[in-house]
Amino acid sequence: DVQLLESGGGLVQPGGSLRLSCAASGFTFSNYAMTWVRQAPGRGLGWVSALSGSGSDTYYVDSVRGRFTISRDNSKNTLYLEMSSLRVDDTAIYYCAKALGSSNYYFDFWGQGTLVTVSS
Amino acid sequence: EIVLTQSPATLSLSPGERATLSCRASQSVSSYLAWYQHKPGQAPRLLIYDASKTATGIPPRFSGSGSGTDFTLTISSLEPEDFALYYCQHRRSWPLAFGGGTKVEIK
Repeated sequence: DVQLLESGGGLVQPGGSLRLSCAASGFTFSNYAMTWVRQAPGRGLGWVSALSGSGSDTYYVDSVRGRFTISRDNSKNTLYLEMSSLRVDDTAIYYCAKALGSSNYYFDFWGQGTLVTVSS
Repeated sequence: EIVLTQSPATLSLSPGERATLSCRASQSVSSYLAWYQHKPGQAPRLLIYDASKTATGIPPRFSGSGSGTDFTLTISSLEPEDFALYYCQHRRSWPLAFGGGTKVEIK
């Protein structure tokens, strides 16, 4: 069975940094693009970032570009999101999700999410 | 940047009724549109992709249609477990985006 398990969330002050991880199992990790999607309190889903199966192609929403870095370690079946210069409006549940293919960016399996709270 | 607008924001229906949800794109996304179901405390679930293809394990009461800028998700006969939030998402170009969501609630 496909499983995605996020970790690394927590409380951080504005301007701080955090690294999220997503441990994947049950599929050939390197064959699939991956993404991070967030949901702020009381809001809908918001796409954050994605990268291809090889990790060579990365994509970001404008509001996080230059502050967040997505990466993957295919030897460890793990996806990462390095977040810096965090702002109060980055507060959200962060989900990692598996794409339908190496460059087919619909998402068929999702983790349960990890909560990031940015507050002083 | 392509913006997706979903309507209505809330749909109040009874079990057994038909639900029709709309998603409109600010410019053509061809058929590159998906629908997800999301319940509180759970992971989102892919229902439909490429506008009309049903994802693995999704019951046939869920169907999608449309192309270009106007899309519809139809639930032919609501089951109790279908009351949830529904989002559309495009993959036509970067950045990807989700619509604002439609809540299907019990009337």
